[in-house]
Parts: sequence; C-alpha cells; structure tokens
Amino acid sequence: GAVVSQHPSRVICKSGTSVKIECRSLDFQATTMFWYRQFPKKSLMLMATSNEGSKATYEQGVEKDKFLINHASLTLSTLTVTSAHPEDSSFYICSAARLAVYNEQFFGPGTRLTVL
Amino acid sequence: QQQVKQSPQSLIVQKGGISIINCAYENTAFDYFPWYQQFPGKGPALLIAIRPDVSEKKEGRFTISFNKSAKQFSLHIMDSQPGDSATYFCAAPTNAGGTSYGKLTFGQGTILTVHP
Repeated sequence: GAVVSQHPSRVICKSGTSVKIECRSLDFQATTMFWYRQFPKKSLMLMATSNEGSKATYEQGVEKDKFLINHASLTLSTLTVTSAHPEDSSFYICSAARLAVYNEQFFGPGTRLTVL
Repeated sequence: QQQVKQSPQSLIVQKGGISIINCAYENTAFDYFPWYQQFPGKGPALLIAIRPDVSEKKEGRFTISFNKSAKQFSLHIMDSQPGDSATYFCAAPTNAGGTSYGKLTFGQGTILTVHP
C-alpha cells in the first residue's frame, strides 16, 4: 500500500513554456501533499505544502506565481511550472501524507524537468 | 526551525559488513523519525521509521536506534549487500504544529556504497 505516482516522469520543454506535473496517491487519501525540488547529490528542498481544497503554502523564497499548485481532490495534486527557464531544470518530487499517521510521507518517483 | 545533521556524507562498506548512519536533530513537538532510501533517478522510499515510545526498532536487516535525551537517532544496516548501495536520508518533524504540521526536515543524505 501507500503508492504515489507522478506524471510525467521526464519532460523536456523550451524556455517560456509551462509544464504541469501530476501527483496521485493511488491507494489512500492524502489530505496533504508536499512538493520538493532536488538538485544533483543534494537533499530534498521543500517547495510547498498542498492541502486539499485550500491554497498551497509556499516555503520562503519559492515564487508562488511561478510554481502554481492545485490540490483538487484527496488523491491528486498538480504543480505547474509557468514560463519555465533553464534555471528551473531540476528533479521535482511530490509526497503524499497520511496524516492520521502523523508526518508519514510517501514519495512519488519524481519528474525530471529539463528546460532548453 | 528544525535542523537535522546527518553523518557521514559517504560510506563505503564491504559486503556483509554493518553500515551505520547517524542523525541529530534540534527539537521537535512530535516524535516520529523516518529513514528514506533513494536510488539514482528515483523518488525516496520510506525504509523504516520510529516513534520513540521505544528506543529501537528492527525490520529485517534494518534497525533504528533512538536516543531521545541526546536528540540523536541512527540507522544500522546489518549484513550490507551491494543492492543496499543508495543514498539514505533521515528526517525529523519540522517542529511545532500550525503551518508546520506534517512537514519533515531532511538530513543532508549519506551515499552508501557496498562493495561485493
């Protein structure tokens, strides 16, 4: 149990375009999902917390207008990178939390974004 | 704000040996300490977690030891195998509730290499 999927797994786009990444909890309901960014050989950097039915909470220094997050249901959250630029190239990972079991997060497989 | 310090940064172990990774945290309102395993190009996978009403938890070859007074916890991998070669992250709750609820702060990661 506790499977989280992400789509797409890899995306290459041109500078200036927008990219949407989907995160789904497949076998449990997640009232909260988290979006992380990870640079090569580095730790996980939390970008934002996504709660179903409410606005996302962004970490300090994360541009909310560039990284749009929508959590439309208990099993789906989306991250849209708007007007992507090469510096947005990174590995983006979501996690879904079963908060009845507090702090327990299950991660998706990640999305590799390359902006040309 | 929570800080989690993880050591060593990298670890090389011979097959059959014991791998030990340590983490220290500053403070937390919740007692939940997970370890994640990440292979290159993949999302982190929850390996084992402890809620310290106990000082030790064992699952197969993996053991978490917890020292609440010292604010430290460690991961022990017994009979290490080449397939265990991965990056390991510890995590601790990002402090008190409110907007921090459910968040995890991650250590810097340890790259484990198990030689055959």
